[in-house]
Amino acid sequence: DTEVTQTPKHLVMGMTNKKSLKCEQHMGHRAMYWYKQKAKKPPELMFVYSYEKLSINESVPSRFSPECPNSSLLNLHLHALQPEDSALYLCASSQDRIPGGVNLYEQYFGPGTRLTVT
Amino acid sequence: GDSVTQMEGPVTLSEEAFLTINCTYTATGYPSLFWYVQYPGEGLQLLLKATKADDKGSNKGFEATYRKETTSFHLEKGSVQVSDSAVYFCALNTQGGSEKLVFGKGTKLTVNP
Repeated sequence: DTEVTQTPKHLVMGMTNKKSLKCEQHMGHRAMYWYKQKAKKPPELMFVYSYEKLSINESVPSRFSPECPNSSLLNLHLHALQPEDSALYLCASSQDRIPGGVNLYEQYFGPGTRLTVT
Repeated sequence: GDSVTQMEGPVTLSEEAFLTINCTYTATGYPSLFWYVQYPGEGLQLLLKATKADDKGSNKGFEATYRKETTSFHLEKGSVQVSDSAVYFCALNTQGGSEKLVFGKGTKLTVNP
């Protein structure tokens, strides 16, 4: 099973709302990722969690707040977003990387959450 | 820094035509190379991968060979179908210890019946 699930599939929110995106995988992967993808562009990395600890934050605005409650779950909390934050948000996971070691493993992506900020 | 360059699209082919999408890379060390496919309205799916020089990745009739001497990983399929219409991304994952995937800009393929 190489499935990564994401909920909700679509989300419309106002600029003053607070919402959360959820991601789940049951492949035993210990690295999980959030990406943002605008139309006709490749995904842009936002955050990486490795062994449930935040290891990479690509200078993402604080209105995006990631959380990794356990090794299978990854959340992205949204607050006070701007219309330009409208995009497809993708979650991905990959096999373990020994800290400081090489990473040869492919990432498996979820179907994404289509976010519209009004 | 590391980078991936893909041929610009869009690419439009007739069913059963031969497909090549060129991909070249720049990286320190010896990256792993991937092709991902994104169907309309969906997330990315791993299509194939290669982790060392001369490896050939293959899946669903698609193939790509890791060519270290030309720093290339071109995607090929002998006979495309309408269902292959999608955006294809070439990507690399460096051996520098980073979890980052470096993507090309993507190539949109449309296959007409």
